[in-house]
Amino acid sequence: GQQLNQSPQSMFIQEGEDVSMNCTSSSIFNTWLWYKQDPGEGPVLLIALYKAGELTSNGRLTAQFGITRKDSFLNISASIPSDVGIYFCAGQFNMDSNYQLIWGAGTKLIIKP
Amino acid sequence: DGGITQSPKYLFRKEGQNVTLSCEQNLNHDAMYWYRQDPGQGLRLIYYSQIVNDFQKGDIAEGYSVSREKKESFPLTVTSAQKNPTAFYLCASSIVATGEAFFGQGTRLTVV
Repeated sequence: GQQLNQSPQSMFIQEGEDVSMNCTSSSIFNTWLWYKQDPGEGPVLLIALYKAGELTSNGRLTAQFGITRKDSFLNISASIPSDVGIYFCAGQFNMDSNYQLIWGAGTKLIIKP
Repeated sequence: DGGITQSPKYLFRKEGQNVTLSCEQNLNHDAMYWYRQDPGQGLRLIYYSQIVNDFQKGDIAEGYSVSREKKESFPLTVTSAQKNPTAFYLCASSIVATGEAFFGQGTRLTVV
């Protein structure tokens, strides 16, 4: 079945550093979504991407829909303490009129004291 | 306010009891989903529904049941057949075409 490989699994960074994470698949997706989850809460949508090659920003966050439609990356510039959390990618595809969302395993962002 | 509401936030049950988790949305979304999340893990799909009175099994449906009698509501029952029910349960909804899923706050179920 469809699978997403999200990397890295976790990141230790200094405040102020830029962060990059990505998701790849052997399958093609129609939509790429990036979410952030804080402990004990539901994931919150950060950025949605709909077209191959699309580059979208949301404040210090930038995400791109890969040109092959099989990958996406998320960059966070000048990280701050509230960026700590788990970031998930999700890809949507349509099979036999069934819309499916496939999730990456998450990237845990930790800021070094 | 528009949104998706899960209740309760925390739930404790004795082993062998069925328990139903509530999920309500007023976003007029057609699709609704239930996910399970274990500590340090990603999201695993239990059931989803793209239209009223219809739902499909996800990757880990065994031991769970759902209903979709109204567009706004998608309750999940964790049955006694679920061998390891203690987990964080997340409900989500989306406009099917865009796929952008919006999540509730989650219900943390502990079975003792």
